[in-house]
This record gives sequence, C-alpha cells and structure tokens, in this order.
Amino acid sequence: AQSVTQPDIHITVSEGASLELRCNYSYGATPYLFWYVQSPGQGLQLLLKYFSGDTLVQGIKGFEAEFKRSQSSFNLRKPSVHWSDAAEYFCAVGRYSGGGADGLTFGKGTHLIIQP
Amino acid sequence: EAQVTQNPRYLITVTGKKLTVTCSQNMNHEYMSWYRQDPGLGLRQIYYSMNVEVTDKGDVPEGYKVSRKEKRNFPLILESPSPNQTSLYFCASSSSVSSGREFGPGTRLTVL
Repeated sequence: AQSVTQPDIHITVSEGASLELRCNYSYGATPYLFWYVQSPGQGLQLLLKYFSGDTLVQGIKGFEAEFKRSQSSFNLRKPSVHWSDAAEYFCAVGRYSGGGADGLTFGKGTHLIIQP
Repeated sequence: EAQVTQNPRYLITVTGKKLTVTCSQNMNHEYMSWYRQDPGLGLRQIYYSMNVEVTDKGDVPEGYKVSRKEKRNFPLILESPSPNQTSLYFCASSSSVSSGREFGPGTRLTVL
C-alpha cells in the first residue's frame, strides 16, 4: 500500500528565508505526487503536482518541488517565504486499487510558522 | 466559476440521527471522493467514485455510505452517526487520476 511520510510536524522559518518541506513516499511504481496547502479555516489548494517528465516541478505562489526516485522523496521548496505562507502543507501520492485508480494518500502535514 | 460545493458547512447533531452531506461539482469531473481530516492524522479517504454508479471504499469507510447517481453529485451519508465521526469532511473532484483534485470548502461535523 502507498504511504507518505512528512517527517516534520512543525517548521519555523523567518520571513525572507528559504524553505524546504520534506516528503517521502512508499510506492512500487512511478507515483503521482502532489503538494497541497491549507490556510487556517480554509480548504485545500493544489500547489503543484508531478506525473512524469521533468523532475523539477514549478507550482503556484513561487513554490517548486523535486522528485527524486532514488530517495523516494518529493520535497517542496521556496527561495524566500512570506508571512502569508504560514499554513499547513500536505504531501500526497496517488493511490491505486485493483480495479483502477483514484484517491490520494496524504501525509499528516507540516505546520509552517513564519517569524517576522 | 468552477467549484466544488458542500452543504452544510457546519452541522451539530446527536448520535444515531441520520444525516447527509451533499457535494456537487460543476466541472464535469468523473472522479469524486470524500476525505475526513482529524488533528494529527491528516486527511484520510472515506470513499471514492470513478464515474456514475461506480464507487469504492477508501481507507476509513466504516459508518459511511455514498451514492453516485449523477455525475455532478456525490453525497456522503451517515446512517447512524457516532461521536467518533466528529471531524472535518472534504469532498474533492478531478478530471483524471493524474489531475490535481479540486477540494470543496469542508463540512465541520460534530456528533454529540
């Protein structure tokens, strides 16, 4: 079964500093990978996704992520964070069942705190 | 505007009283699914549907039912809610397996 690990429950970063959020997945084939952001009291918004091709993926709001098959990782990065980036971030992998595919397996999330 | 809508947004009910949370999307998506979000557990999939009349269980289906009679609607039914179903529920849809899911705004359910 697929699984996703986000090792950091909380991360604190100073405004303007760079950011990297870690995500490790467990899946036998080439996975579909996603990063979502959830602002307080809000739903989830897709930041970026990896399906195939270029392993460095650009997303919205200045985020990028790099797929590394050898490390089973899909870490999210941003060169300079803004106070508005404070939120909960979720990594997810596409799941497959015997009859086909749908649904996502999510990590437990990383809570990002921005210090002024 | 392309969106996923859920109703109600907030619901407080009592144990055993049947309830339905509606989900509707206007993007003609084939795939729809339900998730619950609990502190420290992230999001867990309850049920999903790949098309009309095609549904399947996710990770935590116990105590829930779904139906997909129309492409745009995917209601979540709790026949006999219990306090452990108190949670934040999200409906999502997508056009294909590899597409990012569009999530609804969430329904906060409290079962007393």
